[in-house]
Amino acid sequence: AQSVTQLDSHVSVSEGTPVLLRCNYSSSYSPSLFWYVQHPNKGLQLLLKYTSAATLVKGINGFEAEFKKSETSFHLTKPSAHMSDAAEYFCVVSPYNQGGKLIFGQGTELSVKP
Amino acid sequence: GAGVSQSPSNKVTEKGKDVELRCDPISGHTALYWYRQRLGQGLEFLIYFQGNSAPDKSGLPSDRFSAERTGESVSTLTIQRTQQEDSAVYLCASSNSGHQETQYFGPGTRLLVL
Repeated sequence: AQSVTQLDSHVSVSEGTPVLLRCNYSSSYSPSLFWYVQHPNKGLQLLLKYTSAATLVKGINGFEAEFKKSETSFHLTKPSAHMSDAAEYFCVVSPYNQGGKLIFGQGTELSVKP
Repeated sequence: GAGVSQSPSNKVTEKGKDVELRCDPISGHTALYWYRQRLGQGLEFLIYFQGNSAPDKSGLPSDRFSAERTGESVSTLTIQRTQQEDSAVYLCASSNSGHQETQYFGPGTRLLVL
């Protein structure tokens, strides 16, 4: 069965410091992996996606993620946090040959302190 | 262009009543998905429509849940005899096709069953 595990339910950083949100996946085949962000009272927005091209994926707002098959990880990083980055982040897998349905992790709440 | 829209934005109902939730996908998108997000949780897949193919209903939690889609347009999710555990945000997403395509999410319908 395909699944994703977000290792931290809550991460707190200071503005200007690096962000690391951890995600491990389980998949029998090469999956498609995504990170989505959900700001309070706003819809889900795609940050970035991996679809078996380059293993280092760059997304919007300075975020990037690296697909590491040997570690079954897809951690999300950003060099310098901004106050506007405070939100809920979801690591998502789209299993192979299941029509594109998404399996979401439980989410990581990112807090950014001034 | 217009994004995915959902109505109503909020719905309060009494236990045992039926509710109908509506989703208008992005024009031209052949794939449509319904997800449920309980408080503090990630999204759970409910059902997936792709063109004229039979829908993937594997995520529907019980036979009280059903969904329809007319062609490649509007979809409705119906919950019969609502229970308190049905309280959640119901999100709709659409994409150009299926696997690996970016899904664009609507703002959701917040359902509260009293």
